[in-house]
Amino acid sequence: AQKVTQAQTEISVVEKEDVTLDCVYETRDTTYYLFWYKQPPSGELVFLIRRNSFDEQNEISGRYSWNFQKSTSSFNFTITASQVVDSAVYFCALTFLTQGGSEKLVFGKGTKLTVNP
Amino acid sequence: DAGVTQSPTHLIKTRGQQVTLRCSPKSGHDTVSWYQQALGQGPQFIFQYYEEEERQRGNFPDRFSGHQFPNYSSELNVNALLLGDSALYLCASSLEGSGRYNEQFFGPGTRLTVL
Repeated sequence: AQKVTQAQTEISVVEKEDVTLDCVYETRDTTYYLFWYKQPPSGELVFLIRRNSFDEQNEISGRYSWNFQKSTSSFNFTITASQVVDSAVYFCALTFLTQGGSEKLVFGKGTKLTVNP
Repeated sequence: DAGVTQSPTHLIKTRGQQVTLRCSPKSGHDTVSWYQQALGQGPQFIFQYYEEEERQRGNFPDRFSGHQFPNYSSELNVNALLLGDSALYLCASSLEGSGRYNEQFFGPGTRLTVL
């Protein structure tokens, strides 16, 4: 079965601190994709990054960076020099091809990040 | 280029009633997936429609049903509403392809409250 675990329910930091959001996944598929989404209070899911299972290179995008390690089945997300606007719920997700040829996303329960001024 | 749109934005119903939520996919997309997000939880896959047929279904009872129209828009119907059906319902659209990942784009969601 596919599963995504985000052990941190809530994190609170002070602006300019670095913060890492943890994500651990389970899957038997050899081909899969991992995602991070941001959900502000408005509710819409904002896509942040997608990685496929064959690409373990870490990625940096501005203040955001992602560490993908297949050996530990983890896909952690770090925000450097956090800002108040980073306050949101962040979801890690996993997708895979189903028997019907479609893909469904399996989400973790999310981590609520609060960045205080 | 319009993104995924959903209507209504908010909805209040009472137990036992039926509700219909609507989704228009992103221009050029032909596949629609529905997710339920209960408060404090991650979205959970309900089902996916492609070529006007339900292709995959998550662990949801038959009270949840859907439809896809020839223009690729979709409806989610929930019968005999329960208090536990209160949630944010998200629609995501994608373009069917073969042998590659088809990115899903999410709509803003419909907030359903069951009293």
